[in-house]
Amino acid sequence: AQRVTQPEKLLSVFKGAPVELKCNYSYSGSPELFWYVQYSRQRLQLLLRHISRESIKGFTADLNKGETSFHLKKPFAQEEDSAMYYCALTYLNFGNEKLTFGTGTRLTIIP
Amino acid sequence: GAGVSQSPRYKVAKRGQDVALRCDPISGHVSLFWYQQALGQGPEFLTYFQNEAQLDKSGLPSDRFFAERPEGSVSTLKIQRTQQEDSAVYLCASSLASGFSYNEQFFGPGTRLTVL
Repeated sequence: AQRVTQPEKLLSVFKGAPVELKCNYSYSGSPELFWYVQYSRQRLQLLLRHISRESIKGFTADLNKGETSFHLKKPFAQEEDSAMYYCALTYLNFGNEKLTFGTGTRLTIIP
Repeated sequence: GAGVSQSPRYKVAKRGQDVALRCDPISGHVSLFWYQQALGQGPEFLTYFQNEAQLDKSGLPSDRFFAERPEGSVSTLKIQRTQQEDSAVYLCASSLASGFSYNEQFFGPGTRLTVL
């Protein structure tokens, strides 16, 4: 069965410092990996997906199949990055792309 | 346009009561998902609808949980004889469904259920 592990529940980083949120996964087949974000008093929303290879709000994530990791990175943290971040995976399944989430990491940017 | 809406936003129930949680997906979205998020945890899948058909209910924790989407739009998650372990945020998400590529799931604000 698939599983997503986010080892850090809490992460504090100074403004301007680099950020790395860790995500490891176990799987069968070829999963698709995502990062979701929840800002204070807002709903859960998609930040980025590995297949699109985009940089969103300065964040990037590289899929490392050998290490089964999908860490989220940003070179220079900003105060507005403070939020709850969830790593998630799914499989293409004719519409039933149910998501398996990690337990989340609360990122706090220190001014 | 309007996103996914859920009601009520907060629900307090006494143990043993039945509750009904409503989800209004984005208009035209074929797929609808329910997730349960316990305190300090990530969301966990409960059930999936494609239009009115419930195609996957593998995540429902017990037969006290029942979901329906009779006209392929609004969905209701019902919990019978609520227990304290049912306390959680219940999230609804909807997406277009092509079956050929992943379609982004758009989440509602959630319903926070507290069972006393």
